Amino acid sequence: DAGITQSPRHKVTETGTPVTLRCHQTENHRYMYWYRQDPGHGLRLIHYSYGVKDTDKGEVSDGYSVSRSKTEDFLLTLESATSSQTSVYFCAIGGAAGNTIYFGEGSWLTVV
Amino acid sequence: GDSVTQMEGPVTLSEEAFLTINCTYTATGYPSLFWYVQYPGEGLQLLLKATKADDKGSNKGFEATYRKETTSFHLEKGSVQVSDSAVYFCAHNAGNMLTFGGGTRLMVKP
Repeated sequence: DAGITQSPRHKVTETGTPVTLRCHQTENHRYMYWYRQDPGHGLRLIHYSYGVKDTDKGEVSDGYSVSRSKTEDFLLTLESATSSQTSVYFCAIGGAAGNTIYFGEGSWLTVV
Repeated sequence: GDSVTQMEGPVTLSEEAFLTINCTYTATGYPSLFWYVQYPGEGLQLLLKATKADDKGSNKGFEATYRKETTSFHLEKGSVQVSDSAVYFCAHNAGNMLTFGGGTRLMVKP
């Protein structure tokens, strides 16, 4: 294991409610990423962070926000969940931009 | 733009058969190339990587060679096992993040 913990691992929520997913690392890696995985779309980058309070958008950032107040924690927030955000969310960490990244176990989110 | 294209699955093989999963990429410059594997219900795990042209990455009997002239990084294994059944993702580091292909599901039957 790469020392990555995602929580919650499974969640069912209602449309319009806020949801926060947490990623915690024990590896002291600089870079952290949030991806979503959907059938037919593979993995798509939502947001990433290159340091405390330093974040940037990925390919599919609309409807999501992130925060990184500590090196070890990277939070993904859905301000008002929609059914299109039903997905599996993966956190990943890496030591340098573009190099090997290591994935967490995933968080299964269902928006009903 | 930068992208990764891999063959669509599922790929179904009998145990001990030879495996090839094709992967091609477009990128500016010379990216590093990766293969990740995802077993059911789990996250992606790095399988192998190559960082420059003509490098060969290898792990667990899998191999892939960085071919700059054909912009390819095909995954091969000489004799697959049932335990190799998984989804395989090709990726490259275009810019400051990894870009993934759509994934190829491999099913190996006894």
